[in-house]
Amino acid sequence: AQTVTQSQPEMSVQEAETVTLSCTYDTSENNYYLFWYKQPPSRQMILVIRQEAYKQQNATENRFSVNFQKAAKSFSLKISDSQLGDTAMYFCAFMNYGGATNKLIFGTGTLLAVQP
Amino acid sequence: EADIYQTPRYLVIGTGKKITLECSQTMGHDKMYWYQQDPGMELHLIHYSYGVNSTEKGDLSSESTVSRIRTEHFPLTLESARPSHTSQYLCASSTLGAGPRGDYGYTFGSGTRLTVV
Repeated sequence: AQTVTQSQPEMSVQEAETVTLSCTYDTSENNYYLFWYKQPPSRQMILVIRQEAYKQQNATENRFSVNFQKAAKSFSLKISDSQLGDTAMYFCAFMNYGGATNKLIFGTGTLLAVQP
Repeated sequence: EADIYQTPRYLVIGTGKKITLECSQTMGHDKMYWYQQDPGMELHLIHYSYGVNSTEKGDLSSESTVSRIRTEHFPLTLESARPSHTSQYLCASSTLGAGPRGDYGYTFGSGTRLTVV
């Protein structure tokens, strides 16, 4: 069974600074997707960034980038130039590629607070 | 605009009452899901559906039931609510393939916060 672990329950960063959120996962599968989702106080889950396991290049989406280490089963999220609107709960998630259900398996989340 | 809708947004109900949480999507997605999010924010899959007339239990055991009579509609029912059912319930849907955004078209609703007193 796949598991996703986020070891940082809470983090804080100053506005305009850079912060890295950690995520590790465990799977015996070789083909999968990894995602970072953001859940602001409004509660709507929003996709931040995704990474296909077969791609060696780390995904980047504007101020958000990942450090994907497949051998180490690590998938950290870096937020550059943090903004107040980045304050939210961040979830790392795993999806088995080609699975019939497209189920997402979530980590326990990291609550990020961006301080002015 | 294509989206996924959950109603009600908030619900406070007494123990023993029967409730139905509504979830509808306008995207024609074949797969739909219910996630339960506990006060510690952890998300657990409790039900999913491959398509019409298909429902499966998720990874977390739940006393709730679901139905999928129409593609766009995936309601969740609790026959007799208890305080232990107090939680946030998130509905989601996804496409068969990777979708244009490469995220398997995963879209989440805004959630229903249920409190059973």
